[in-house]
Amino acid sequence: SQTIHQWPATLVQPVGSPLSLECTVEGTSNPNLYWYRQAAGRGLQLLFYSIGIDQISSEVPQNLSASRPQDRQFILSSKKLLLSDSGFYLCAWAHVNTEAFFGQGTRLTVV
Amino acid sequence: KNEVEQSPQNLTAQEGEFITINCSYSVGISALHWLQQHPGGGIVSLFMLSSGKKKHGRLIATINIQEKHSSLHITASHPRDSAVYICAVKDNYGQNFVFGPGTRLSVLP
Repeated sequence: SQTIHQWPATLVQPVGSPLSLECTVEGTSNPNLYWYRQAAGRGLQLLFYSIGIDQISSEVPQNLSASRPQDRQFILSSKKLLLSDSGFYLCAWAHVNTEAFFGQGTRLTVV
Repeated sequence: KNEVEQSPQNLTAQEGEFITINCSYSVGISALHWLQQHPGGGIVSLFMLSSGKKKHGRLIATINIQEKHSSLHITASHPRDSAVYICAVKDNYGQNFVFGPGTRLSVLP
């Protein structure tokens, strides 16, 4: 079956520390992969999407980067976290004209 | 770029009530999704629509392509339906989602 794993579920990191959030997909191949952020009280904002290995598009300039080293692995990173990076991060995958599947999310608090 | 609006923003209902949440968008789409986000944050996909109507249990979703409008209905609402309901559309190229701001539903016992 098709599943998506995202970890960790919660994370508290000091300002200036690095970040790595990982998302893996099972049961499908060549999915479109997405990273979203949801700030408190706000809607979902697209950060990155990928249509294939090493093919990353960024929607907004920011302190974050994404990589897709394998077909079903999508990583969100930062070299130095800012307070404004706090939020809820969601990974998702979909094929064109199919259901979208979301991870359980990571609640990141930068202190 | 597609603009997605939802109404109402917040909704409080009594258990058993029939609930309707609306979504409108500005540009033609390939598909519309209704999502449910519980307080813990995880998101579940409820429906994907490109035309007509779908039903799953107490949930019904409809879409009118000409009017660029979709509705999510919940019959016989229950407190466990309390969540944020999000409308998301995919553009005609089918690559990206644009999300509505969400409707926060509270169903009181």
